[in-house]
Amino acid sequence: DAKTTQPTSMDCAEGRAANLPCNHSTISGNEYVYWYRQIHSQGPQYIIHGLKNNETNEMASLIITEDRKSSTLILPHATLRDTAVYYCIVRVVTTNAGKSTFGDGTTLTVKP
Amino acid sequence: DAGVIQSPRHEVTEMGQEVTLRCKPISGHNSLFWYRQTMMRGLELLIYFNNNVPIDDSGMPEDRFSAKMPNASFSTLKIQPSEPRDSAVYFCASSPKEGRFNEQFFGPGTRLTVL
Repeated sequence: DAKTTQPTSMDCAEGRAANLPCNHSTISGNEYVYWYRQIHSQGPQYIIHGLKNNETNEMASLIITEDRKSSTLILPHATLRDTAVYYCIVRVVTTNAGKSTFGDGTTLTVKP
Repeated sequence: DAGVIQSPRHEVTEMGQEVTLRCKPISGHNSLFWYRQTMMRGLELLIYFNNNVPIDDSGMPEDRFSAKMPNASFSTLKIQPSEPRDSAVYFCASSPKEGRFNEQFFGPGTRLTVL
């Protein structure tokens, strides 16, 4: 699995867009970019994933650069409940989950 | 939908004791995952089942750990004997898609403390 690099922490004002970057310069052609988040004392929560096209769902948007070496998760209107650790994971979608970890992620703090 | 159910939510035991963690996946989901989370190592995948069959246990730390899935609605993770370094939060997750690292639904976790 390709390695990802994320900033350790970020702040965002409530109501503003939160843009969380992720670098994955060694990504291969069949690897997807996944985003999960973990709110304190809860299990991780799936947010969104994509291969090369930009994706949007009810939670967030995922922007993947044309060379696929980086991506940005966008929370369009951050709320205090979006304060969490956000994990960017690059994975091949195969029948074998392999030995995967979530990495250290970005701690997003949404402030009033 | 009740989501993924894990029990117990908290477990405190003494070194050398057997510990059994339980998981009930979301009904209809084909895949089940056990993870461990610690401050030092983050969130690690321990083992993955597909249609009740263990597919990949390469993340299981050692022989003291074992996992079973006797049917589609129940799985256990057993540690025997337990050691203080096993203290962690253990998460179970299930996925509706077979064999894919896709949308996984996580349970609330079991916080294990081994004294």
